[in-house]
Amino acid sequence: AQSVAQPEDQVNVAEGNPLTVKCTYSVSGNPYLFWYVQYPNRGLQFLLKYITGDNLVKGSYGFEAEFNKSQTSFHLKKPSALVSDSALYFCAVYSSASKIIFGSGTRLSIRP
Amino acid sequence: DAGVIQSPRHEVTEMGQEVTLRCKPISGHNSLFWYRQTMMRGLELLIYFNNNVPIDDSGMPEDRFSAKMPNASFSTLKIQPSEPRDSAVYFCASSFRGWNTEAFFGQGTRLTVV
Repeated sequence: AQSVAQPEDQVNVAEGNPLTVKCTYSVSGNPYLFWYVQYPNRGLQFLLKYITGDNLVKGSYGFEAEFNKSQTSFHLKKPSALVSDSALYFCAVYSSASKIIFGSGTRLSIRP
Repeated sequence: DAGVIQSPRHEVTEMGQEVTLRCKPISGHNSLFWYRQTMMRGLELLIYFNNNVPIDDSGMPEDRFSAKMPNASFSTLKIQPSEPRDSAVYFCASSFRGWNTEAFFGQGTRLTVV
């Protein structure tokens, strides 16, 4: 069965420190991977995606993610966190064998 | 473009009443999605349209839910009759081409059924 896991409900980081939000997946075929961010009372906003090519993908607001095929992971990273990065982050995966599936979300909290 | 536009932003209705949610996708996008978000179940895909045709409605919870897309610029999600367990935030999203391109989400409709 196709699935996406975000193992951490919440991640807490001090401003200026690096952050990582984890995502692992299980799909048949080649995955297309996405990260979205949701601010309070708003819809999801696209951050970045991996389709093919370079495993390190750069996206909006200084975020990047690394596709690791052997570990079936697509962790979201940022070298230096900002308070304004505090939000709910969703990983999503699509493959030709399934419709798009979203993870359960990780709440990122950046303390000043 | 103003993005994906949903209306109303908030809806409070009594159990048993009909509810209609509306969505205007981004011009030029040929795919439209309806999602439901709750604390318990997270983000669930309800239905996916491609070129105004429903492609996958396997996420529609039951016959009380129906969705239409009469043209490329308008879609509706209807619940009839509504029940308290339908209370959620309903999002509409559109993409340029199907599942594998990034989706742009509307601000959502917060539905409360009392």
